[in-house]
Amino acid sequence: NAGVTQTPKFQVLKTGQSMTLQCAQDMNHEYMSWYRQDPGMGLRLIHYSVGAGITDQGEVPNGYNVSRSTTEDFPLRLLSAAPSQTSVYFCASRQGRGGDTQYFGPGTRLTVL
Amino acid sequence: GEDVEQSLFLSVREGDSSVINCTYTDSSSTYLYWYKQEPGAGLQLLTYIFSNMDMKQDQRLTVLLNKKDKHLSLRIADTQTGDSAIYFCAAYSGGYNKLIFGAGTRLAVHP
Repeated sequence: NAGVTQTPKFQVLKTGQSMTLQCAQDMNHEYMSWYRQDPGMGLRLIHYSVGAGITDQGEVPNGYNVSRSTTEDFPLRLLSAAPSQTSVYFCASRQGRGGDTQYFGPGTRLTVL
Repeated sequence: GEDVEQSLFLSVREGDSSVINCTYTDSSSTYLYWYKQEPGAGLQLLTYIFSNMDMKQDQRLTVLLNKKDKHLSLRIADTQTGDSAIYFCAAYSGGYNKLIFGAGTRLAVHP
């Protein structure tokens, strides 16, 4: 199993550009989520999904869209990039509710100029 | 809302024990986790503890849970330079079906 994969690893955008961060998992996990990591702030939940066709907002959803058309994929879209979205983005997945182990992807480092 | 807090930095000498502390606010948290993040990498699950346990030991790692005080600690025995990383505490919030993370403790191990 590849686990959780993310592309790209690095990205530089100009303010106002849009892009999609890709996330895929091959463990047939129901639950997937996106976090952003900023210095001194830990991980903050952007959006999550409890299964195909179901998404919900986390703590910091503004400026981001998600969709979950398949169990495997959970892309994160930046509609109009802003410098405040400069961060490291992590995708994660787990089987379901409760204490199932949450697996993280390697991260995407995004810089918005 | 739910919150998880931990100190931001810890420095220890190689061979000593490290103790990283964490407090959480959601008394209904059923699972508590410790993740390790090495530079440029994602988060790796180190260990976890159920809320009905007081202690869990796994090789050099010991997790202590004081549910009354909502306090969690991670002890690393015989700390090595390879243990230098950021350690995240996380609490599972059943009501919201999500993990709440602390800001992370950067552990620096020096000779």
